[in-house]
Amino acid sequence: EVQLLESGGGLVQPGGSLRLSCAASGFTFGNDAMTWVRQVPGKGLEWVSGISNTGGTSYYADSVKGRFTISRDNSKNTLYLQMSSLRVEDTAVYYCAAAGIAAKLDYWGQGTLVTVSS
Amino acid sequence: DIQLTQSPSFLSASVGDRVTITCRASQGISTYLAWYQQKPGKAPKVLIYAASTLQSGVPSRFSGSGSGTEFTLTISSLQPEDFATYYCQQLNSYLMWTFGQGTKVEIK
Repeated sequence: EVQLLESGGGLVQPGGSLRLSCAASGFTFGNDAMTWVRQVPGKGLEWVSGISNTGGTSYYADSVKGRFTISRDNSKNTLYLQMSSLRVEDTAVYYCAAAGIAAKLDYWGQGTLVTVSS
Repeated sequence: DIQLTQSPSFLSASVGDRVTITCRASQGISTYLAWYQQKPGKAPKVLIYAASTLQSGVPSRFSGSGSGTEFTLTISSLQPEDFATYYCQQLNSYLMWTFGQGTKVEIK
């Protein structure tokens, strides 16, 4: 059974940092590109960042560029999102997802809530 | 960056209705488009990819069409379990997979 399990969310003050993790199992993690998508409660989906299967290529939404860093450890089947200089508007549920055939996002985690507030 | 605009943002429909949602891309994306369904408190689920290919296990009442800049998702006969929010996503830009703003389908 495919599983993506996010962790690391929580409450952080504006300007603070947080690292999210996404542990993958049930599929060949090193074969798939991965992505982070976030959703403000009650709002739409926002693509945040994507990384190639090897980790050699990554991209970011303008809203997080320069503040967030995506990475992966294929030996540990884990995806990361290092978030710094956090802002109130970064408050959201963060999902990790795996891109399969035709880059569709086949598998999603359950999401982890990040709250940025003083 | 490629922008996706969905319409309508909200629609009210009855069980058995035929429902169509449109997604327009700011530039041509061939058929690199997917559709997702999301229910409250759950992660999105892929319905359609490559604009018109039905994901395994998805009921055949869902269909997708289009290419270039205009795409549609059609539900041929709306069922109670289809009341949800639907998103399009462009897959043309490698690793930069932006979404439309969503269409919420509610019970009339």
